[in-house]
Amino acid sequence: DQQVKQNSPSLSVQEGRISILNCDYTNSMFDYFLWYKKYPAEGPTFLISISSIKDKNEDGRFTVFLNKSAKHLSLHIVPSQPGDSAVYFCAAGQAGTALIFGKGTTLSVSS
Amino acid sequence: DAGVTQSPTHLIKTRGQQVTLRCSPKSGHDTVSWYQQALGQGPQFIFQYYEEEERQRGNFPDRFSGHQFPNYSSELNVNALLLGDSALYLCASSRGGASYNEQFFGPGTRLTVL
Repeated sequence: DQQVKQNSPSLSVQEGRISILNCDYTNSMFDYFLWYKKYPAEGPTFLISISSIKDKNEDGRFTVFLNKSAKHLSLHIVPSQPGDSAVYFCAAGQAGTALIFGKGTTLSVSS
Repeated sequence: DAGVTQSPTHLIKTRGQQVTLRCSPKSGHDTVSWYQQALGQGPQFIFQYYEEEERQRGNFPDRFSGHQFPNYSSELNVNALLLGDSALYLCASSRGGASYNEQFFGPGTRLTVL
């Protein structure tokens, strides 16, 4: 049973537009959520995170929104750039336990 | 700073064989976690080592074992390889007690089991 789900395997966006990547989770005990970006032949790199006590966290072009009642989080990238093309993983965890990752969404940003 | 390094980059084995993968953590890090990323899946936690002991373990059989050395580097051993063990194996390092966002991943070892 997947506790972290990314239901869209891929997303295509034009340069300059907004990219919205979605993630759903089932475990209400998760207290920390993260987004990682992965390029081919590289390991995942941390992008942005949010604690369960917040509903929004912003870092430059990246904003993560958390809706605890819906058990849903999303990553917004504005404006999208070709260099943002990568696989994005949503991950969730709770204190003292390992992170659980979704299957990833491949973002393609065309110029 | 070399970051997290893993060796080898690629490996091909046959069913039933044994394999050892290696990881050197980022400078200053003392905790190493191993993940398996199968094709089309997200990374799945195998286990974590801290102070040369396995601190946490995911849902993986005993065929998967590990070790951490005094210099904090780590090995992942897989015995009796199955076709389903083919995957990218990722190592991540962090400081003990660090938050999740302070975990750094290596580039991975691509294992193919024939």
